[in-house]
Order: sequence, then C-alpha cells, then structure tokens
Amino acid sequence: DAKTTQPNSMESNEEEPVHLPCNHSTISGTDYIHWYRQLPSQGPEYVIHGLTSNVNNRMASLAIAEDRKSSTLILHRATLRDAAVYYCILKVAGGGADGLTFGKGTHLIIQP
Amino acid sequence: GAGVSQSPSNKVTEKGKDVELRCDPISGHTALYWYRQSLGQGLEFLIYFQGNSAPDKSGLPSDRFSAERTGGSVSTLTIQRTQQEDSAVYLCASSLIGRSLQGGTDTQYFGPGTRLTVL
Repeated sequence: DAKTTQPNSMESNEEEPVHLPCNHSTISGTDYIHWYRQLPSQGPEYVIHGLTSNVNNRMASLAIAEDRKSSTLILHRATLRDAAVYYCILKVAGGGADGLTFGKGTHLIIQP
Repeated sequence: GAGVSQSPSNKVTEKGKDVELRCDPISGHTALYWYRQSLGQGLEFLIYFQGNSAPDKSGLPSDRFSAERTGGSVSTLTIQRTQQEDSAVYLCASSLIGRSLQGGTDTQYFGPGTRLTVL
C-alpha cells in the first residue's frame, strides 16, 4: 500500500477548528483515503473517507487536494473528547492488503 | 446496535501457557480482522477472514499463532506457548464487504480489545 506521512503531534484549543494534514504523494488512482482515530484505551474508530471530492459527515470534513497527493481532516469545533491519535490510511479498492496499514498517526492534544 | 465484542477484556497468563481470544463481529459482516498493539506501538495487522477463509496468514508473527472463524461469525485467535513479547492489546474488527471491487469504501469497526499480559 502507498505510504502516508503525518505530523507526530498537534495541539489545539477547545472549540477551535483543527486541520490535520496528511501527505500521500505516491497515491494511486484507485486508493481511497480513510481516516480513523483512536481515543485513549479504546479501539480505533472510523472517521471519514473519500476518493477525489471533499466529504462531510457529522464527525468531520475531509478536504482532498486536486492532485490527491495530500488531504486534510478538519474538525470544525474541537472538544476535549476529540483528543486522540488520528490515522490517515490509504485503502486499495479490490485487491491489495486486506488489513489497514496504520502508521504512527498524529497525536492531537486539545487544551481546555 | 451491537458492535464488535471481544472477550476476555483482560487476560494475564504465565509464560508457556496457551491462550484463546474471542471476537464476536457485527452481525452480517463478511470480513473479520485481527490486529495487535504493543505498548506505545502502532497497530500491527495479523490476519483477515473473508467468510470462514483466511486468504493470507503471513501477518501472523509466528507459528505459535493461529486463528479460525466458524459459521461466518465468531473468531478465535489462539496463541500457544505464550512468550513475554506476546504481551499486547489484541484488537478485532469487522467490515461489511472485505475484499471486493467496492473494498476501497469498506470501513472497519473495531472492538475494545483484549489486553494480554504474559508474566
């Protein structure tokens, strides 16, 4: 699977927007961009995914660059509960590795 | 609705003993995955089931590890002759589709994990 690069950690204040970047310069045309997060002492949970167009759901928004070599997860109004490790993962449609390849992710710290 | 459940939540065992970890996926999910997360480390993919079949077992760390899935539902991960380096949180996930042309959109739902400590 193509590799992703994320900052090790980011810090934000409560009730402010957070933009979490991810670089995936070797992405292929059939790779979907998935974001998961892992809250302390819990299993990962799905956040959002997209292919080419920007996506919105109740948890977050995903902005995908026109060349697809990078994307940004946007939390519009961070709460303390959003403190977690956020993983940007590329998923191949059809074949390829079946499990998700988790990198080190971005440790998001939310200050009250 | 019911999510993925795992049992036990915690398991402490002595080096050399065998352990079985259980995963109950979301009903109707075709695919099931096992991962492990060692202290301070990232998640490591172990094995994947499409129905009852495991197409690729190469992610299992050693031949002491085995897994099975029966009835397209419950899965058991067995570790024989446990070693201290096996200590980790073992996570199970399930997804609706698994490997298919639509697999790129498939999302995985994780259980809470089993924390295994080998003394």
